[in-house]
Amino acid sequence: EAGVTQFPSHSVIEKGQTVTLRCDPISGHDNLYWYRRVMGKEIKFLLHFVKESKQDESGMPNNRFLAERTGGTYSTLKVQPAELEDSGVYFCASSRYRGGNQPQHFGDGTRLSIL
Amino acid sequence: QKEVEQNSGPLSVPEGAIASLNCTYSDRGSQSFFWYRQYSGKSPELIMSIYSNGDKEDGRFTAQLNKASQYVSLLIRDSQPSDSATYLCAGDYNQGGKLIFGQGTELSVKP
Repeated sequence: EAGVTQFPSHSVIEKGQTVTLRCDPISGHDNLYWYRRVMGKEIKFLLHFVKESKQDESGMPNNRFLAERTGGTYSTLKVQPAELEDSGVYFCASSRYRGGNQPQHFGDGTRLSIL
Repeated sequence: QKEVEQNSGPLSVPEGAIASLNCTYSDRGSQSFFWYRQYSGKSPELIMSIYSNGDKEDGRFTAQLNKASQYVSLLIRDSQPSDSATYLCAGDYNQGGKLIFGQGTELSVKP
């Protein structure tokens, strides 16, 4: 089966611009997660979708970040307007079921650079 | 205090030796733990999961969990140069799917 795929792999934009990241989870996985790793820090949770509903968005840094998952398939994460501190690697992960013992499968990430 | 702590390393071991990676956590609500391996520029790849106290073995890998001491470890036997990567420890916060990661330990296996 195809793994979690993310687009683009790398994005370089200027401060104040808008960027949209996309994640295609593994087929049949209802649970989709976004994480972010900024330089020198650990990977941090942003939010969790169950199908098209936001289950937990406690990690979203501010209202410049908007995540959607229309139809419960792929998800997008939009940053508008981008700030310098948004630079980092954005990972998407998916799992078939929700729960503590459900392994999450990660994509290769989108490396976002804000100039 | 960080919720999941790992020694960032680098940890260097000779080929064929046992590599021991350690992780401590502060949140007693975390019941499930995962070890991911990440090569540079690649996705974190799940290699072990553990939910109960004790040891869990899978091939050359053994995960150990001690909930009383809030300690998780990963042993890699017969280490190979291809095991050189960053190893990430993660706990599932409150069993809801939200993973809390440590900073990762860089492992280098020397031929």
